[in-house]
Amino acid sequence: EDKVVQSPLSLVVHEGDTVTLNCSYEVTNFRSLLWYKQEKKAPTFLFMLTSSGIEKKSGRLSSILDKKELFSILNITATQTGDSAVYLCAVPTGANNLFFGTGTRLTVIP
Amino acid sequence: EAGVAQSPRYKIIEKRQSVAFWCNPISGHATLYWYQQILGQGPKLLIQFQNNGVVDDSQLPKDRFSAERLKGVDSTLKIQPAKLEDSAVYLCASSRGGQGLVQENIQYFGAGTRLSVL
Repeated sequence: EDKVVQSPLSLVVHEGDTVTLNCSYEVTNFRSLLWYKQEKKAPTFLFMLTSSGIEKKSGRLSSILDKKELFSILNITATQTGDSAVYLCAVPTGANNLFFGTGTRLTVIP
Repeated sequence: EAGVAQSPRYKIIEKRQSVAFWCNPISGHATLYWYQQILGQGPKLLIQFQNNGVVDDSQLPKDRFSAERLKGVDSTLKIQPAKLEDSAVYLCASSRGGQGLVQENIQYFGAGTRLSVL
């Protein structure tokens, strides 16, 4: 059975802190891993990772995949209140539909 | 480029009533997905369409849920009759759905419909 486990479930930090969100997975026929940010209702796409050890970066956000140990991390440096959201990790299964973890709720306090 | 459009944004109904949600995907996206997201959980796939054909509906409760994408563009999801446990956000997503680059399967989500069943 496919599994995606995210940790921590929730996190509260102060502005300017750096955070690391974790995602471990077990899936048959791995193709990629995706990170989404969900603020209100619509998850917005952040990164797609397919290869181990290659960091994807966008501004203060970065992510990396370890296909040997079956996990990915999402880093956010110099956090801002606008980073407050639920961060979802997902892997494509079957016919490329997404299997999601439960998410990490990040709260950034001014 | 316009995003995925969904309506309504909110719906409140009583149990045993019926409800329908509408989704218009990003132009040119062949694959359309409906997900159910219960509070505190990640989205879970209900049904996946490729053009106007169903690819995966294995997790759709077919005794009460139905969905169609007749012309291969917009789609409707219906619940009839609704139960209390159907209270959730219903998300629609679309992707290019090509057979080539992995990036063609990145899914883009609409704002969702929040359903409350009383």
